[in-house]
Amino acid sequence: DIQMTQSPSTLSASVGDRVTITCRASQSISSWLAWYQQKPGKAPKLLIYKASSLESGVPSRFSGSGSGTEFTLTISSLQPDDFATYYCQQYNSISGTFGPGTKVDIK
Amino acid sequence: EVQLVESGGGLVQPGRSLRLSCAASGFTFDDYAMHWVRQAPGKGLEWVSGISWNSGSIGYADSVKGRFTISRDNAKNSLYLQMNSLRAEDTALYYCAKGDSSSAPSPFDYWGQGTLVTVSS
Repeated sequence: DIQMTQSPSTLSASVGDRVTITCRASQSISSWLAWYQQKPGKAPKLLIYKASSLESGVPSRFSGSGSGTEFTLTISSLQPDDFATYYCQQYNSISGTFGPGTKVDIK
Repeated sequence: EVQLVESGGGLVQPGRSLRLSCAASGFTFDDYAMHWVRQAPGKGLEWVSGISWNSGSIGYADSVKGRFTISRDNAKNSLYLQMNSLRAEDTALYYCAKGDSSSAPSPFDYWGQGTLVTVSS
């Protein structure tokens, strides 16, 4: 089975900061990688799919890159609404393993 | 508007069974793969099971293989998860999620609000 890791597990940042989260797969997943944002008490929200494609309605300050086994999520200028937990996910047609998550909190 | 509404959660004793349901609306249900994802209290997301549009392809996490069964009824726009031999570690909020494709690799573009399953004596 493919295992996903994320770093860091927690990130403290200020409004306006550029933030980068890294996700690694235990074997190549091509570009089948998604990023989700989850706020307390809410369902996850899809941000990025196919490693770098922005989901409709998601602000352009979010971007994704990478392929194979290493991927990044970047928030170009952190906004108050962005303090949340972020998960990467490798997916195929009927499965999808998540990373352990990265909590972005206020510095 | 896409809506996914889970039901069937509750308190159940270890070793017993529970059946979750997910009622879908706002999209052509039989055009898309569907999934169950769970989240234990204070923990991360865990993919549980997925099913293709026509039930031809099904997958399970190792942690539930042999105990849980996913199914769907396209005529009723509904997704199900039969959970047998429940354990304390199955305690979680269970989300229903929609894939954004019928069979190609697809992320989960819509999620329900979840139904809570608590396994305890």
